[in-house]
Amino acid sequence: QSALTQPASVSGSPGQSITISCTGTSSDVGSYNLVSWYQQHPGKAPKLMIYEGSKRPSGVSNRFSGSKSGNTASLTISGLQAEDEADYYCCSNAGSSRVFGGGTKLTVL
Amino acid sequence: EVQLVQSGAEVKKPGESLKISCKGSGYSFTNYWIGWVRQMPGKGLEWMGIIYPGDSDTRYSPSFQGQVTISADKSISTAYLQWSSLKASDTAMYYCARQNCGGDCYLDYWGQGTLVTVSS
Repeated sequence: QSALTQPASVSGSPGQSITISCTGTSSDVGSYNLVSWYQQHPGKAPKLMIYEGSKRPSGVSNRFSGSKSGNTASLTISGLQAEDEADYYCCSNAGSSRVFGGGTKLTVL
Repeated sequence: EVQLVQSGAEVKKPGESLKISCKGSGYSFTNYWIGWVRQMPGKGLEWMGIIYPGDSDTRYSPSFQGQVTISADKSISTAYLQWSSLKASDTAMYYCARQNCGGDCYLDYWGQGTLVTVSS
């Protein structure tokens, strides 16, 4: 399977909102599958931020939200904070396997 | 508390074999799939495959089928990822993660990662 398509980088100033897109096909993101999103700080393991498209695990700030339209899923971070600077990855089921996006580096200016 | 604890960093030579581990605790190890994810230096996450420790049902990503072997020993709540003949291109960080499934499946807990370095 081909990796899901994410922008290589996005940036925003503290307090602003940003959106990271994740584009797939009708076989993965566009099917019934619900995308999950992971945050990874340098040298750390990934952390689940959004699951089943729009749900937040306990302990994840409500500044993080997820949505989907057609073959594209999105992660929105509102009220940007310095600690949000990290890499973000989307993930979808793809048949009997899973596929990640290429990752997006978020820079908080 | 759910925890996945992986074995330590490894330095190997090309052609050598290797088996790394991922020990689960704080939950019923046999009731959740465990997946393996590769991250090459400076690169993104890649799905390798997954195992259900309850019955050792294993699924591989097409990219990794035949390249690695995923196994589990439910008696000691441990999953494994192994290579029979390492290549320099296997140099990467490897993560295990627990797959949880509700309306869909997602990776809710991750190990700390095992760094594998293959160099002559």
